[in-house]
Amino acid sequence: AQSVTQLGSHVSVSEGALVLLRCNYSSSVPPYLFWYVQYPNQGLQLLLKYTTGATLVKGINGFEAEFKKSETSFHLTKPSAHMSDAAEYFCAVGANQAGTALIFGKGTTLSVSS
Amino acid sequence: GAVVSQHPSRVICKSGTSVKIECRSLDFQATTMFWYRQFPKKSLMLMATSNEGSKATYEQGVEKDKFLINHASLTLSTLTVTSAHPEDSSFYICSARSHLTYEQYFGPGTRLTVT
Repeated sequence: AQSVTQLGSHVSVSEGALVLLRCNYSSSVPPYLFWYVQYPNQGLQLLLKYTTGATLVKGINGFEAEFKKSETSFHLTKPSAHMSDAAEYFCAVGANQAGTALIFGKGTTLSVSS
Repeated sequence: GAVVSQHPSRVICKSGTSVKIECRSLDFQATTMFWYRQFPKKSLMLMATSNEGSKATYEQGVEKDKFLINHASLTLSTLTVTSAHPEDSSFYICSARSHLTYEQYFGPGTRLTVT
């Protein structure tokens, strides 16, 4: 079984500040991990993913995440927030198994103030 | 890259009617498709897993007779909301998993409003 916990349903930062969105997972098999962003009334956009290999993963829009197996974490960071980063962010866990769906965390709303 | 489409993008229907939502993988074959439901300001909840040529597998608490899923081909899955009620109003998102890479690609979603 797999599950995801996103700590903090709402994160507020100032423009230019560091963004840190937390994600912890549980998985009985080697996990595939994802971060998605969703803007109001839109679908999901993939930010980045970890499957195998390098544990530090770089994504679009300056975001990156690090897979830490010992901590069962996959936190999302961005060095300097932009106003356009304000959105809903979802962490998800999956596996390299046929028929395995992605399981999503509850989401974190990121607010960016000027 | 792989593209998944959903049709319609928005639909408004009256209580008691049925609504069909289509999910298509446009440039790859998907042996498995998934249907999610998202309530306002909430996460995506997996409703069911749809495998081509076989019956869908529903998550606990999802009424299979209300949410009919058909995966008739490797590029098309449909979700039919039968006898819709206002509480069925939601954002429905499908995803398709490539049979080659196991990557999962998401459709843009369908906003259903039941009046």
